[in-house]
Amino acid sequence: DAKTTQPPSMDCAEGRAANLPCNHSTISGNEYVYWYRQIHSQGPQYIIHGLKNNETNEMASLIITEDRKSSTLILPHATLRDTAVYYCIVANTGTASKLTFGTGTRLQVTL
Amino acid sequence: GAVVSQHPSWVICKSGTSVKIECRSLDFQATTMFWYRQFPKQSLMLMATSNEGSKATYEQGVEKDKFLINHASLTLSTLTVTSAHPEDSSFYICSAEKGGTNQPQHFGDGTRLSIL
Repeated sequence: DAKTTQPPSMDCAEGRAANLPCNHSTISGNEYVYWYRQIHSQGPQYIIHGLKNNETNEMASLIITEDRKSSTLILPHATLRDTAVYYCIVANTGTASKLTFGTGTRLQVTL
Repeated sequence: GAVVSQHPSWVICKSGTSVKIECRSLDFQATTMFWYRQFPKQSLMLMATSNEGSKATYEQGVEKDKFLINHASLTLSTLTVTSAHPEDSSFYICSAEKGGTNQPQHFGDGTRLSIL
């Protein structure tokens, strides 16, 4: 699976948009970009995933560059409850797709 | 939908005992489940892939005789840590894949294991 690079930490003011970048320059054509987050002492929570088109759901938006070498997760109105470690992972989809977790980005949302 | 439940959420045991952790997919069938381990201030590390009705596939460096995995049904996988020692103390997390294309994995809330 392709490796990802994320900044180790970011701060965001409550109510503002949080934009979390991810580089995945070695992504292959059949690999998706997945985003998960982990709040302290809990299991990872699925946020969103995409192949090449931008995606949006009730939690976030995912913007993937045209060359697919990077992406940005956008939390439109961050709240204190969004404080967590955010993981960007690239992997194949389908049965038995392994997810390789990197170190992620620790997002701290402040008042 | 796509809820994964783990039990117990927290367990403390004496050294040398065996501990069983259950992972259930509550509202979907999962032919494949995954077991991860996470040490403090580190990321999740995949231990093994659990396949319903067949033997689990272990990652390099994970002892299959120490971490016994059973995936007897489409909604239940168990991880047994045999003869646990203090160095096995960790946060164990499972995930389940709903099956089909374009489906993400969903994770349980983890089991914190402390061996005294």
